[in-house]
Amino acid sequence: EAGVAQSPRYKIIEKRQSVAFWCNPISGHATLYWYQQILGQGPKLLIQFQNNGVVDDSQLPKDRFSAERLKGVDSTLKIQPAKLEDSAVYLCASSWGQGVAPLHFGNGTRLTVT
Amino acid sequence: AQKVTQAQTEISVVEKEDVTLDCVYETRDTTYYLFWYKQPPSGELVFLIRRNSFDEQNEISGRYSWNFQKSTSSFNFTITASQVVDSAVYFCALLNTGGFKTIFGAGTRLFVKA
Repeated sequence: EAGVAQSPRYKIIEKRQSVAFWCNPISGHATLYWYQQILGQGPKLLIQFQNNGVVDDSQLPKDRFSAERLKGVDSTLKIQPAKLEDSAVYLCASSWGQGVAPLHFGNGTRLTVT
Repeated sequence: AQKVTQAQTEISVVEKEDVTLDCVYETRDTTYYLFWYKQPPSGELVFLIRRNSFDEQNEISGRYSWNFQKSTSSFNFTITASQVVDSAVYFCALLNTGGFKTIFGAGTRLFVKA
């Protein structure tokens, strides 16, 4: 089966600019996650979707971050405006159900904010 | 509060040595799941194993083995006869079934030298 697809692979922007990341989960996976991984740290959950509804966005900085999953398939994560501390790898993951199923991760998007 | 601690930041071994990666977790839930993921240089986290809180049997899969001890809240991972291809960052993770949120430790970077 095809894995989780993410693009772009790398992105460099200046602070205060905006950026968007795209994710296409594994076919049939109802749950989609966006994680932020700062260098040297473990992934931190930003937002979790079940189909096209938000299950958890408690750690999403909503003043600058937004995400959507229209039609319950692919998803877009946006940052506007970016700050230096947003430099990180943004990982998308999916699972076949909400709960205990293992997560399948994409390769991530490495964002550098200068 | 839920927490995962991986005290070993980096470990360096010579090929064919055995190595154990430590994981200590905190949770108030009686039902929970523990995971190990591997993150090779390509960046994609790969699922290795899942354990539920009611199953304390140790597990062996090839050169990998896992020791789960509820009494010490630990879920340690041992690689026997390590190989260069085992070089990666390894993450321990905890899933609380109440919120269905997976929390990751900070990871342990393993270097296996030829």
